[in-house]
Amino acid sequence: ETGVTQTPRHLVMGMTNKKSLKCEQHLGHNAMYWYKQSAKKPLELMFVYSLEERVENNSVPSRFSPECPNSSHLFLHLHTLQPEDSALYLCASSQDPAGSSYEQYFGPGTRLTVT
Amino acid sequence: GNSVTQMEGPVTLSEEAFLTINCTYTATGYPSLFWYVQYPGEGLQLLLKATKADDKGSNKGFEATYRKETTSFHLEKGSVQVSDSAVYFCALSEGLNSGGSNYKLTFGKGTLLTVNP
Repeated sequence: ETGVTQTPRHLVMGMTNKKSLKCEQHLGHNAMYWYKQSAKKPLELMFVYSLEERVENNSVPSRFSPECPNSSHLFLHLHTLQPEDSALYLCASSQDPAGSSYEQYFGPGTRLTVT
Repeated sequence: GNSVTQMEGPVTLSEEAFLTINCTYTATGYPSLFWYVQYPGEGLQLLLKATKADDKGSNKGFEATYRKETTSFHLEKGSVQVSDSAVYFCALSEGLNSGGSNYKLTFGKGTLLTVNP
């Protein structure tokens, strides 16, 4: 049990669908992250939220839209995705990035398949 | 920019064999170094870390020493078990004192380890 949960664990969606990924952390952290993990590629950092403010957006296409309503929850809204967006999407959390404890704790991921 | 290079793998060992997974890095400032492990069907788990030169991180029989002179952080275990089969990721963050973004982790591509009974 890592303290970071993600739902759903698996998602299959068509290119015209709209869906959302959810992440929840129970560790009292105040920074949250979305990563994309594709086969044969390093993990790609997509978004970072610190104290519910977005502090990083790594040139991610607008068909991915994050939302952080509070420090415990993070969403990734998906619409009009492409097959190449199929990947494992990982959520992570840590203490305030400016603080002294910055290890990131990961959830189990959502395996997304775009058909 | 920062980068992490780790041995490609896959690595296949017999139970009780000695494990080394090499990791070297390029970074500005004074990074902290991490090893994460990803078991099948799961997310990444922090395995060990080292925050300054000559520090040794250790956990579950795994060790890695922060070598600034060789910019390396090789992962070792004296006797692997079948349950160690997983993907191992080396990573760095710039750390608090570099003036950079200390939350940003730069990962290697991962090394798949398979341990056979």
